[in-house]
Amino acid sequence: KQEVTQIPAALSVPEGENLVLNCSFTDSAIYNLQWFRQDPGKGLTSLLLIQSSQREQTSGRLNASLDKSSGRSTLYIAASQPGDSATYLCAVRRGSARQLTFGSGTQLTVLP
Amino acid sequence: EAQVTQNPRYLITVTGKKLTVTCSQNMNHEYMSWYRQDPGLGLRQIYYSMNVEVTDKGDVPEGYKVSRKEKRNFPLILESPSPNQTSLYFCASSFPQGEAFFGQGTRLTVV
Repeated sequence: KQEVTQIPAALSVPEGENLVLNCSFTDSAIYNLQWFRQDPGKGLTSLLLIQSSQREQTSGRLNASLDKSSGRSTLYIAASQPGDSATYLCAVRRGSARQLTFGSGTQLTVLP
Repeated sequence: EAQVTQNPRYLITVTGKKLTVTCSQNMNHEYMSWYRQDPGLGLRQIYYSMNVEVTDKGDVPEGYKVSRKEKRNFPLILESPSPNQTSLYFCASSFPQGEAFFGQGTRLTVV
């Protein structure tokens, strides 16, 4: 059974700092990995999708990497801003492609 | 605008009173799913559908029903809600192996 772990569970940084969020998964037979952000009481907003054949994806200040063989992904946020404060979730799409398995998230707080 | 729309956003109901949460997507996606999100348990899949008239159970299907009569719609039915179904519910859609898009969520309270 696929298990997805995100460390740390919570992170607080001063504005302007670069930071890395981690995601690990136990079964490397994945189709893709997706990073989301979730604001309190709100829905999930897709940030980046990395297909299993890719090593990284970039969008603005965000860069996500994928190392399928080691079962790890990182989300790098450059020059963090208070507006980046949210919970960040990673999810892997299993080999059957029918569902996403989510990590428990990292709650990020960027202090002004 | 590409989106997944859920209704209602908030719902308070009593034990045993049947309810339906609607979900609609405008992206012509084949895959649609329902998830529930609970503190300490994260997001868990309830049901999924790979196309019209094709549905299957996810990890926590007990107490729920779904149907997929049209490609764009995937309603979630609770025929006899119980307090342990109090949760935040999300509908999602995607192409096979594609980017998943989520609705804004439905916060359900069963008293």
